[in-house]
Amino acid sequence: GENVEQHPSTLSVQEGDSAVIKCTYSDSASNYFPWYKQELGKGPQLIIDIRSNVGEKKDQRIAVTLNKTAKHFSLHITETQPEDSAVYFCAAYSGAGSYQLTFGKGTKLSVIP
Amino acid sequence: DAGITQSPRHKVTETGTPVTLRCHQTENHRYMYWYRQDPGHGLRLIHYSYGVKDTDKGEVSDGYSVSRSKTEDFLLTLESATSSQTSVYFCAISEYVESYGYTFGSGTRLTVV
Repeated sequence: GENVEQHPSTLSVQEGDSAVIKCTYSDSASNYFPWYKQELGKGPQLIIDIRSNVGEKKDQRIAVTLNKTAKHFSLHITETQPEDSAVYFCAAYSGAGSYQLTFGKGTKLSVIP
Repeated sequence: DAGITQSPRHKVTETGTPVTLRCHQTENHRYMYWYRQDPGHGLRLIHYSYGVKDTDKGEVSDGYSVSRSKTEDFLLTLESATSSQTSVYFCAISEYVESYGYTFGSGTRLTVV
C-alpha cells in the first residue's frame, strides 16, 4: 500500500518568514495530494490540494509543488503569521479501489511573533 | 464543521465498558471514516464505510467495530474499552476522494479510566 513520509515533525519560524513542509510517497499511481491544517481542538481542514497533472498550485500565501518523478510534494507558506501556527498533514490518494487517503504524521508549525 | 457532526464531544468511561461514538452527516456522501489521533502517530484509520452496510477495516481496527445502517450515520463501538483506547477520534466523510479529499468532524475526546 501507499506510504507517506512527512518532514519535519516540528518547525519554528519567525513571523514574516517562509515555511516549507515536505512529503514523499511510495505509490507511483497516486494522483491526488491534499494538505490539511489542524488548529488546536479542531478537526483537520483542507487548505490546498494538487492533482498529478499539475506541477504547482497557489492560493494567496500558500502553494504546493509536486515532483512526480521524485515522488515528493511540498507545502510552502510565505509571509507567515501567528494564525498559521497549527499542525499540517499531507496526504496521498492512490485510487485503485482504496477509497482512502494515506496521511503523513504531521508537522507542528509554530510562528513566533 | 458544516454537514458533519460527532457526538459526544467529550466522554470519560471506565475500563471494560462498551462505548459508542456517533458520526452524523447531512451531505449524503458515500464514504465515511473513523480515525484516531495520538501524539506521535498522526491520524490512523480504524474503519471505513463505502456504502450502507459496507464497511472495511483500517490499520488499527482491533477492539473496534462499526455499523452503518443509514447513509447519514456511522457508529464506532469500543466493545470493551481499555486505557490504550484513550484518544481523540475523528470522523471524516467524502464523496469523491480523488477530487475533494475528506471533510472532518470536530472530534470526540475519549478518556478511559
